[in-house]
Amino acid sequence: EAGVTQFPSHSVIEKGQTVTLRCDPISGHDNLYWYRRVMGKEIKFLLHFVKESKQDESGMPNNRFLAERTGGTYSTLKVQPAELEDSGVYFCASSQRGPDAFFGQGTRLTVV
Amino acid sequence: GDSVTQMEGPVTLSEEAFLTINCTYTATGYPSLFWYVQYPGEGLQLLLKATKADDKGSNKGFEATYRKETTSFHLEKGSVQVSDSAVYFCALTNRGGGATNKLIFGTGTLLAVQP
Repeated sequence: EAGVTQFPSHSVIEKGQTVTLRCDPISGHDNLYWYRRVMGKEIKFLLHFVKESKQDESGMPNNRFLAERTGGTYSTLKVQPAELEDSGVYFCASSQRGPDAFFGQGTRLTVV
Repeated sequence: GDSVTQMEGPVTLSEEAFLTINCTYTATGYPSLFWYVQYPGEGLQLLLKATKADDKGSNKGFEATYRKETTSFHLEKGSVQVSDSAVYFCALTNRGGGATNKLIFGTGTLLAVQP
């Protein structure tokens, strides 16, 4: 069984550019979460999908971040325009039910 | 709001030493508690969990006991190996009245085990 897959593994972009991160959850997992870890700090929740619906987006930092999950399968997280403080590692996780989520390897985003 | 505090790293130990990584939490109600581990170059993996007071989670020689009276969930291992070198994250979920199971993490503790 394939795990949670994230693309790309690394991305370096200039301030003001747009970046799109992708997450493929484990097949059959209705719950999909996005988290972010800024350098050396705690991993923070961004948002939670149940199938294609946003269940909780209280952690999204501002309107430069847009998450979608069309069809309830894979999800994308777009940052437009990117700022320096957006640099960090973005994790995706999925679960079938309950809090036991499986995490991807993360996407390391560097904004220069 | 809910929060998790864990000891600052890095923690450097010799092989076969005893490990303790402290974790305390602040939460209303009855949270579930977790330890996740991130090995170099890999994603987060669930190491162990406990869902109610006095429960002990265990896996791969690691243990942690849910102590409601001290709001703690300290991670312990009796004899660490070089392969245990990783970043360890303490976390909680608190369903409360909502339907989300979002995790609230601590800052992570880097463990380096030397041969």
